[in-house]
Amino acid sequence: AQRVTQPEKLLSVFKGAPVELKCNYSYSGSPELFWYVQYSRQRLQLLLRHISRESIKGFTADLNKGETSFHLKKPFAQEEDSAMYYCALSSSSNDYKLSFGAGTTVTVRA
Amino acid sequence: DTGVSQDPRHKITKRGQNVTFRCDPISEHNRLYWYRQTLGQGPEFLTYFQNEAQLEKSRLLSDRFSAERPKGSFSTLEIQRTEQGDSAMYLCASSPPRTGVSGELFFGEGSRLTVL
Repeated sequence: AQRVTQPEKLLSVFKGAPVELKCNYSYSGSPELFWYVQYSRQRLQLLLRHISRESIKGFTADLNKGETSFHLKKPFAQEEDSAMYYCALSSSSNDYKLSFGAGTTVTVRA
Repeated sequence: DTGVSQDPRHKITKRGQNVTFRCDPISEHNRLYWYRQTLGQGPEFLTYFQNEAQLEKSRLLSDRFSAERPKGSFSTLEIQRTEQGDSAMYLCASSPPRTGVSGELFFGEGSRLTVL
């Protein structure tokens, strides 16, 4: 079974401070990891995926298979980063259906 | 807007009534997913289709729930004899044919169900 854990429900940071959202997963095979974001009054959308190894809106995430983690990081948070963030996992053995974590609400204060 | 659309956006019903939600995916997407989201939780998988074929139903989907995608285009999710525990946001998502590399899901805005 595949499981995604986001230990922090709420995260509050000041503008310009670093922000890190934790994500841990359990899966025995080779998973694919994603971060999805939902801004206020908008639909859920993909932020980034581990296979792309890219930075989106200043966010990066590294897949650590040893620690089974996929933490999301941004060195300097902006007010527009305030949103709900979901870590998600899929795998070929599960026909790439997404399993989501419970989400972390990020508030960036001025 | 050519994204995934869902209707209705909000539905309030009395316990025991039947409700139906509709989802129109992005036109060239052959996969369609239904998820349910309750307060404080992430989306939970309910069922999905490839074209008109329903490939899997989650254990979360009791016999009171039925989903269809008759022509491989729009989909409906019906809940019969609603219960208060059915109150949730029902999300629809679609994705293009897989190419061996995982793709992203494109979500609708959701249909919020409140059962009184």
